[in-house]
Amino acid sequence: GAGVSQSPSNKVTEKGKDVELRCDPISGHTALYWYRQRLGQGLEFLIYFQGNSAPDKSGLPSDRFSAERTGESVSTLTIQRTQQEDSAVYLCASSLGSGRLNEQFFGPGTRLTVL
Amino acid sequence: GQNIDQPTEMTATEGAIVQINCTYQTSGFNGLFWYQQHAGEAPTFLSYNVLDGLEEKGRFSSFLSRSKGYSYLLLKELQMKDSASYLCAVDNDYKLSFGAGTTVTVRA
Repeated sequence: GAGVSQSPSNKVTEKGKDVELRCDPISGHTALYWYRQRLGQGLEFLIYFQGNSAPDKSGLPSDRFSAERTGESVSTLTIQRTQQEDSAVYLCASSLGSGRLNEQFFGPGTRLTVL
Repeated sequence: GQNIDQPTEMTATEGAIVQINCTYQTSGFNGLFWYQQHAGEAPTFLSYNVLDGLEEKGRFSSFLSRSKGYSYLLLKELQMKDSASYLCAVDNDYKLSFGAGTTVTVRA
């Protein structure tokens, strides 16, 4: 498949545990984004990676959230000491670049439930 | 900050036309996207406007007025499968700022 893939598709965890979410972007896409979508709400920007530039972390809601990307490939989003308000769908998207090339292709998301 | 407004919900009849408005106030503007998102699925691309005017693509059209900070998505000949959330997103450099989405329900 040539699309964006994410794993796991569903994650149920207990409050206080750490979780790691994975995203595999489309091959050749230099830009990668993480979003959070709470039930019935729009997409909330979390973090952006572009090539070897420093990531834009301006959307991360707290220092419990962090993300890494290896080159122009896989990215992981880590949430430490999860809280119930972290329950949401976490979407990853990738794109070729800016302007029309900035069409973002979304993965299926990871549904996180914190009990 | 970024402010993108669109109606929360709209209902229309199969075969009808629905227009979803989006107004925006953002610190930058490179273009505007519309995405469709079915319940439980990822958003998928519908249209992109960078210049003023109407872009038509089959049953879907999108309009942009940069001076007014306004866009709309027009859905014609509505089908039941068009029931979904429609997201307006402003391209601001590399980031997309999304509206909360408009849930469209198509009734028989």
